[in-house]
Amino acid sequence: DGGITQSPKYLFRKEGQNVTLSCEQNLNHDAMYWYRQDPGQGLRLIYYSQIVNDFQKGDIAEGYSVSREKKESFPLTVTSAQKNPTAFYLCASRKARNTGELFFGEGSRLTVL
Amino acid sequence: GQQVMQIPQYQHVQEGEDFTTYCNSSTTLSNIQWYKQRPGGHPVFLIQLVKSGEVKKQKRLTFQFGEAKKNSSLHITATQTTDVGTYFCAGHLRDGGYQKVTFGTGTKLQVIP
Repeated sequence: DGGITQSPKYLFRKEGQNVTLSCEQNLNHDAMYWYRQDPGQGLRLIYYSQIVNDFQKGDIAEGYSVSREKKESFPLTVTSAQKNPTAFYLCASRKARNTGELFFGEGSRLTVL
Repeated sequence: GQQVMQIPQYQHVQEGEDFTTYCNSSTTLSNIQWYKQRPGGHPVFLIQLVKSGEVKKQKRLTFQFGEAKKNSSLHITATQTTDVGTYFCAGHLRDGGYQKVTFGTGTKLQVIP
């Protein structure tokens, strides 16, 4: 089955630890996105990538880092510099770089203790 | 930076009543999309509007894109309990050679049977 896989679904970490969230797609999509969702709030763009080895900061990139070494993969690292990392993280992709619908993964819920 | 606001934030309606959510962007958009997120789920694409003044219908749902391509609305006629969820608009903005996708703050719809 084609789709977007995010892992882990739930993650608990201590303060000060870096955490990497995985996002893999087998849809052969060019563009990939990371969003953060907090309770009762919309989706805020963290980073996005339209092509391998290239990515752009979104609206809330501080404290996060990404890489796009392969077309299928767009991992997100939540660093210790992120002041309030507890949130629901959603990864999305779309076929074309500049148009088309976004397909979302099931999300990863990160809780920092 | 670009901001996309939605109103209202919450809406409770009796089953059978109509519902409308409004989306406003601080900048002109190349196109706009609408998504629905069921409780505990991830956003799912509903529709894309591209042309100024465009109106599209999907059964009981009517979508409009403003003449200035800075605002949009989603209207649901005769709501049903299956309409429950959070509705997001997503504004697409050309940023140099990139296309940023910024989600609105969302409108959470509750339908009372």
